[in-house]
Amino acid sequence: DQQVKQNSPSLSVQEGRISILNCDYTNSMFDYFLWYKKYPAEGPTFLISISSIKDKNEDGRFTVFLNKSAKHLSLHIVPSQPGDSAVYFCAASVANFGNEKLTFGTGTRLTIIP
Amino acid sequence: DVKVTQSSRYLVKRTGEKVFLECVQDMDHENMFWYRQDPGLGLRLIYFSYDVKMKEKGDIPEGYSVSREKKERFSLILESASTNQTSMYLCASSSGGSYYGYTFGSGTRLTVV
Repeated sequence: DQQVKQNSPSLSVQEGRISILNCDYTNSMFDYFLWYKKYPAEGPTFLISISSIKDKNEDGRFTVFLNKSAKHLSLHIVPSQPGDSAVYFCAASVANFGNEKLTFGTGTRLTIIP
Repeated sequence: DVKVTQSSRYLVKRTGEKVFLECVQDMDHENMFWYRQDPGLGLRLIYFSYDVKMKEKGDIPEGYSVSREKKERFSLILESASTNQTSMYLCASSSGGSYYGYTFGSGTRLTVV
């Protein structure tokens, strides 16, 4: 039972344009959402997060949007750069007094075309 | 620079062998996790630990066990390796509180032949 889904396995975007990565979830108890970026032969690195009490969070070129009614979140990267080419995972958790565990999606491979 | 270190980047083991994957973190984190990453399946949680000598099953614990004798070290054990355990194994740690997320190691690519 995949509680966090990324329906697009891959995405190609021209350099300088906007990249939009999407993620859907089924568990309404999730109250925190994160995006991770992973290069080959490296571990995932934290990119940006959002609490369920917000609908938007920005950090430089990266913005995450949360639509709780649709159980959908998205990551916008503007402008896209070649170094953004990586696999992106969304993840979600339920608050548990500091003992949270993350449930990850299946990942989207983003390729930025120079 | 804070780190999660996995002892091996690549391992090749034979079917039926007992395999130990080691993970050490230097951040004094309470929480540690083992995931495996497979194409099309994303990251799936195998086991996790919120304290020394404590362990809990994740989503796919079958065929695995873990050990956490010290706070900084979390070991994943494949009791009898099988070919379907060929995968990328990722260890992570966190201080608790989703806001900070996890810090991951670089991964161990295990091939069982």
